[in-house]
Amino acid sequence: EDQVTQSPEALRLQEGESSSLNCSYTVSGLRGLFWYRQDPGKGPEFLFTLYSAGEEKEKERLKATLTKKESFLHITAPKPEDSATYLCAVQAKAGNQFYFGTGTSLTVIP
Amino acid sequence: DAGVTQSPTHLIKTRGQQVTLRCSPKSGHDTVSWYQQALGQGPQFIFQYYEEEERQRGNFPDRFSGHQFPNYSSELNVNALLLGDSALYLCASSYGTRYGFEQFFGPGTRLTVL
Repeated sequence: EDQVTQSPEALRLQEGESSSLNCSYTVSGLRGLFWYRQDPGKGPEFLFTLYSAGEEKEKERLKATLTKKESFLHITAPKPEDSATYLCAVQAKAGNQFYFGTGTSLTVIP
Repeated sequence: DAGVTQSPTHLIKTRGQQVTLRCSPKSGHDTVSWYQQALGQGPQFIFQYYEEEERQRGNFPDRFSGHQFPNYSSELNVNALLLGDSALYLCASSYGTRYGFEQFFGPGTRLTVL
């Protein structure tokens, strides 16, 4: 069964304290892995797409990496405005639907 | 360039009623997917529409139905509402269905069932 597990569920960081969020997945053939940011009461905002193991993408203070079984979202020197829930989703080759994890709620304290 | 839009923003219904939610995809996109997101959970896939047909469906009952129009906009209908249907309903659009693609989400419709 295709599934996505994110950890930790919640993370509190001091401003400037770098850390990583984890997304582990089980899927019968990965078509793509996607990271989204979601602010309270709003729709998810697209961040990155990763397609194959070893691939990396960067955007400002965020860097996403992918292995055969998991993905990491590294946050370097976070700022309070980075506080949000970060969602990971995978798309399997066998179908077109996305499977989302439950997210990591990140709080960055000034 | 307008992104994905959804209406209404909020909706309050009572058990047993029916509701229709609407979505306009991002310009250039032809595929619309609908998701249900309960509080504190990740989005759960309901179904996807492409070329005015339902292409794939998640684990949701037949009370959930949809439609896609020739201009690619879409509706989600939920009949016989239950308390458990209270959630944020998200629409996502993309281009095509056969390749790894990026989905862009709308702001969602918050449905409360009393």
